[in-house]
Amino acid sequence: DTGVSQDPRHKITKRGQNVTFRCDPISEHNRLYWYRQTLGQGPEFLTYFQNEAQLEKSRLLSDRFSAERPKGSFSTLEIQRTEQGDSAMYLCASSRLVGEQYFGPGTRLTVT
Amino acid sequence: AQSVAQPEDQVNVAEGNPLTVKCTYSVSGNPYLFWYVQYPNRGLQFLLKYITGDNLVKGSYGFEAEFNKSQTSFHLKKPSALVSDSALYFCAVRGDTGGFKTIFGAGTRLFVKA
Repeated sequence: DTGVSQDPRHKITKRGQNVTFRCDPISEHNRLYWYRQTLGQGPEFLTYFQNEAQLEKSRLLSDRFSAERPKGSFSTLEIQRTEQGDSAMYLCASSRLVGEQYFGPGTRLTVT
Repeated sequence: AQSVAQPEDQVNVAEGNPLTVKCTYSVSGNPYLFWYVQYPNRGLQFLLKYITGDNLVKGSYGFEAEFNKSQTSFHLKKPSALVSDSALYFCAVRGDTGGFKTIFGAGTRLFVKA
């Protein structure tokens, strides 16, 4: 396995700007998850894809957040009109069936 | 609602002694339970899981965990701690009904002293 990769690893942006993150899952994994992690907390579920279908989205996720997985392979997470409270580590994970999730290294977002 | 509780922010243990990191959960339906470890400047790594079957599951690096349905617990254990086990440990749960969301605990920092 080549592992889950995420790009960029770090992003600094000004409040009000839009940002987009990319996740490339392990190739044979059809399930993909996005999480947000802040200091001292565990990962917080954002959304889940099975193949290209977005099957679940956290109610905590505002309309400024959107995610896609257009061909059931890589996924993007976009945050529009960023706010300082969006500063966090954004994690992507993939899995097969109901098994363990394999996490990427994360994208650290800093909103100034 | 689904939830995970890791009651200890930090666990301190001497090298060679047994360690336990506690986890309790609340979930709809039957639980799928996981432990992950996070080393400094590294991503989350899977340690072990309980889906069904034997209540005692064994995982990576000599760790094991015991599923206790009546106490809704899934404590992580290791018979003999190593300094290299020092890291942040997360318990996670997903129910087999009610969606695909996986809930993580807040984490427990394990410190193993030489």
